[in-house]
Amino acid sequence: KAGVTQTPRYLIKTRGQQVTLSCSPISGHRSVSWYQQTPGQGLQFLFEYFSETQRNKGNFPGRFSGRQFSNSRSEMNVSTLELGDSALYLCASSLGDRGPYGYTFGSGTRLTVV
Amino acid sequence: SQKIEQNSEALNIQEGKTATLTCNYTNYSPAYLQWYRQDPGRGPVFLLLIRENEKEKRKERLKVTFDTTLKQSLFHITASQPADSATYLCARGGQAGTALIFGKGTTLSVSS
Repeated sequence: KAGVTQTPRYLIKTRGQQVTLSCSPISGHRSVSWYQQTPGQGLQFLFEYFSETQRNKGNFPGRFSGRQFSNSRSEMNVSTLELGDSALYLCASSLGDRGPYGYTFGSGTRLTVV
Repeated sequence: SQKIEQNSEALNIQEGKTATLTCNYTNYSPAYLQWYRQDPGRGPVFLLLIRENEKEKRKERLKVTFDTTLKQSLFHITASQPADSATYLCARGGQAGTALIFGKGTTLSVSS
């Protein structure tokens, strides 16, 4: 079956712009989680969506937002980009209810802010 | 806050030896721990999950333990191979519906 698909793979944006990243989970998976990965901080949890509702939220500023659609696809948006937002953004899907389950990650979107 | 720590940033071993990676958690015991492998430029890949009430889990050459007294999980790769070289991540999770929180990882290098 198809894995988790993230688009685009690479993105270069200018400071102050906004960006939208997309994630298509594995068919049947209802939970999508987003993570920011940087060399110094590792994988940091952004938020999780389950059945179109934000179920958990990490400690990131309000410039970071997300949503989930009825087909479980998810998007995350970062407004007013800062240089420090340069990172690999990973999304992961899981069945989401009861569990626990292992997460299936996408290959990520590499965002560079200049 | 609930933390998960992988104290060693890097581990270098020779082919054929057993690699042992450590993961420590703070405060209350998580309901489960998970281990992932990540190769450069790729997303993490799920390896094993162990619940709080399980002492040990095995999968082929992999073994994970969960010690609630020491607040620690150990991840073992037996008969290690150069292909096992990667970053290994430990993650803690609560009951269903809680976020999965990752440690910073340990980069394993297996030399032939």
